[in-house]
Amino acid sequence: NAGVTQTPKFQVLKTGQSMTLQCAQDMNHNSMYWYRQDPGMGLRLIYYSASEGTTDKGEVPNGYNVSRLNKREFSLRLESAAPSQTSVYFCASTPAGGEKYEQYFGPGTRLTVT
Amino acid sequence: AQKITQTQPGMFVQEKEAVTLDCTYDTSDPSYGLFWYKQPSSGEMIFLIYQGSYDQQNATEGRYSLNFQKARKSANLVISASQLGDSAMYFCAMRGLNTGGFKTIFGAGTRLFVKA
Repeated sequence: NAGVTQTPKFQVLKTGQSMTLQCAQDMNHNSMYWYRQDPGMGLRLIYYSASEGTTDKGEVPNGYNVSRLNKREFSLRLESAAPSQTSVYFCASTPAGGEKYEQYFGPGTRLTVT
Repeated sequence: AQKITQTQPGMFVQEKEAVTLDCTYDTSDPSYGLFWYKQPSSGEMIFLIYQGSYDQQNATEGRYSLNFQKARKSANLVISASQLGDSAMYFCAMRGLNTGGFKTIFGAGTRLFVKA
């Protein structure tokens, strides 16, 4: 039981390049999330997927797109990377919505855009 | 708007002593959950403890307890008998029902240093 997995662990991009961050969970959770963490700040929600087939914007969605490929997988795409997107990206999941479920986090992807 | 405030950027505690990490929040949600997560230097996010807004008793999980004062909108984390392995970043977070229970707001975190 791997929990939440993310690939890659590290990535360096040049400005304007594109890439997709992959996330998968094996806990049969309905809801999945993408966050970014910048130095000195907490996590900020980029996008979330309440259930398979739905996605919604979070606090900082600009410059990103997401796909909920199936119940297990939720990917984050940077179409044209910018230095401001240098950050650590975390994927997370919960069994469902509601205010009581803790989030299960992946190990993170450290992205540097030069 | 929802907001989480952690006013202590860094804290020091002697090993085996107790420490309180402060968290205040602001929300208009009638129902919400409060969470604490630990982030060690290795980078992963570890769930510690949860408090529901309607829970009558303060939450406890082993050496972790949550001092929940609803009227003051505070949810401080108390770590008893600190250990060297407790050195980490600690984040307070909140999720409310008004946003469908999907949008978690995190504080900026408190870095805890445990001294031997």
